[in-house]
Amino acid sequence: GAGVSQSPSNKVTEKGKDVELRCDPISGHTALYWYRQSLGQGLEFLIYFQGNSAPDKSGLPSDRFSAERTGGSVSTLTIQRTQQEDSAVYLCASSLISPGGTGELFFGEGSRLTVL
Amino acid sequence: DAKTTQPNSMESNEEEPVHLPCNHSTISGTDYIHWYRQLPSQGPEYVIHGLTSNVNNRMASLAIAEDRKSSTLILHRATLRDAAVYYCILPSYNTDKLIFGTGTRLQVFP
Repeated sequence: GAGVSQSPSNKVTEKGKDVELRCDPISGHTALYWYRQSLGQGLEFLIYFQGNSAPDKSGLPSDRFSAERTGGSVSTLTIQRTQQEDSAVYLCASSLISPGGTGELFFGEGSRLTVL
Repeated sequence: DAKTTQPNSMESNEEEPVHLPCNHSTISGTDYIHWYRQLPSQGPEYVIHGLTSNVNNRMASLAIAEDRKSSTLILHRATLRDAAVYYCILPSYNTDKLIFGTGTRLQVFP
């Protein structure tokens, strides 16, 4: 497809299980962002990739969270030993060039995670 | 990133203009001003951006104060579909880190 694709769109899991969320950015986009949005809240920055490297991991809430990006394309956000407070919509965005200047972010529809 | 301040909520009637303010008094000379909006149950979408001069596109206009310490997103004729949370963001040119605040929730009444 032409847009940012995220999967799964919905995930229900039990507390303590690991989950993987996938983001397929727009082809050719070098910058990729992960955000988290809890119900009724704003977007919380998690991590940013430029190519395959992550110059800024400061937003990851704990060491249970990790992310990788391979081939400068698909990214996976992994949450280990999920907790109920991890329940949120996880949004991925990509940008052709550095958004610090004029780059526009394109967002996916998000992955809704519910931890029981 | 430079901090932005926006009102929590605003209201408008359909077909009327809407002016959404944003204060960014700590903006640096290289910071662009970006606006995004988030419709209900969707990811955010880009609206407009600018550096110093006022900008217009098919969605909105962006008016930037001469000292760049504030800006205003202008929707010329609000429609029901414009009901969303509007975010004013100043991405850091050096870090590319985009921090979204809580934004302004715009309600549009018929």
